[in-house]
Amino acid sequence: QSALTQPPSASGSPGQSVTIACTGTSSDVGGYEYVSWYQQHPGKAPQLLIYDVSERPSGVPDRFSGSKSGNTASLTVSGLQAEDEADYYCTSYAGTKHYVFGTGTRVTVL
Amino acid sequence: EVHLVESGGALVQAGGALRLSCAASGFSFSDYYMAWVRQAPGKGLEWVGRITTRTHIYSTDYAASVKGRFIISRDDSKNSLFLQMNSLRTEDTAVYFCVTEFYYRFDSWGQGALVTVSS
Repeated sequence: QSALTQPPSASGSPGQSVTIACTGTSSDVGGYEYVSWYQQHPGKAPQLLIYDVSERPSGVPDRFSGSKSGNTASLTVSGLQAEDEADYYCTSYAGTKHYVFGTGTRVTVL
Repeated sequence: EVHLVESGGALVQAGGALRLSCAASGFSFSDYYMAWVRQAPGKGLEWVGRITTRTHIYSTDYAASVKGRFIISRDDSKNSLFLQMNSLRTEDTAVYFCVTEFYYRFDSWGQGALVTVSS
């Protein structure tokens, strides 16, 4: 199972929006509505941001949103804030009770 | 509040074995699927495997990279999750996270345990 493809980096100024793509195949991202996104600050454990493509757990600001089209899922961070500077990972259920993670994207707030 | 604490991380030689533990609290452990996710130094996340609940006969699934070498188990009476790692390779060097799996998402994460495999 190959990792899902994400851009290595993305950036934006405070208040701007940044969108991160997560590209897989019809066997994972395109085949299931089970894409989730995680935020990881340096030296910390990842935290769930989005699940089931576009659902937010309680406590996650609505500045974070998710979507999917075909084999590509996307995470959009609107109204960028300094604390959004972190690594972001997507993951998808890949069938046969397996999961695959994305390669990760480092977001920099300029 | 969900609390997951991994232990057992160490430096081990290639070919050796190591057992990680994860102590869980703050939720009904026996009702949750549990998973291990690892992160090599400076690299991305990798799903290692998972174990289901008693209702689902404690079935296990593993990533191809560890299948046949790693074994996931749990002790619901002690709210504990385990990862037995055998035939360790240098590429298994990583921080190993204990994670709750709930309806195809990973809700809660431990702080991780570092496993270093030397050649």
